[in-house]
Amino acid sequence: EVQLVESGGGLVQPGRSLKLSCAASGFTFSNYYMAWVRQAPKKGLEWVATISTSGSRTYYPDSVKGRFTISRDNAKSSLYLQMNSLKSEDTATYYCARHLHGFDYWGQGVMVTVSS
Amino acid sequence: DVVLTQTPVAQPVTLGDQASISCRSSQSLVHSNGNTYLEWYLQKPGQSPQLLIYKVSNRFSGVPDRFIGSGSGSDFTLKISRVEPEDLGVYYCFQATHDPYTFGAGTKLELK
Repeated sequence: EVQLVESGGGLVQPGRSLKLSCAASGFTFSNYYMAWVRQAPKKGLEWVATISTSGSRTYYPDSVKGRFTISRDNAKSSLYLQMNSLKSEDTATYYCARHLHGFDYWGQGVMVTVSS
Repeated sequence: DVVLTQTPVAQPVTLGDQASISCRSSQSLVHSNGNTYLEWYLQKPGQSPQLLIYKVSNRFSGVPDRFIGSGSGSDFTLKISRVEPEDLGVYYCFQATHDPYTFGAGTKLELK
């Protein structure tokens, strides 16, 4: 059974950093692109980042480019999102997702609140 | 950036009815490789989103055949025949043809 479990969320002050993790199991992690998608409270979905199987290619929208870094450790079947210079508008639930034909499996999400 | 416009914003339905959701793109979603990366997701209340349809019309594993995706170019539709209680929630279209990838704003399928 495919499982994705996010961790590392919480309350952080504007301008500070936070690192999210996603532990994957039930599939060969190194064979799949992976992604982060977020959802602000009571809002829609926003794609945040995608990483290739080896980690050599990464993709971001302008809203997070230069501040967020997606990475992976295939030996640990883990995905990460390093978030720097956080802003109030980054407050959201962050989902880890497997990215093959679409985001075919999602984690349960982790909440990040950016507030002073 | 590609803008995906979903209509209607809310779709009141009676169980057993058919529902239809439109997703129009600000530009063609045909990739240079010939594929069209248009997907549909359902987010049920309190749950993570789930993939329904990929590449316009392909149902993801386990998705009932009452979900039908269609369309081409910049105009796409998701039809749900015989709506069941577990189909209620917010539907999103998503494009992965052009960077940055973008979601539509969502359509809430709700009971009349």
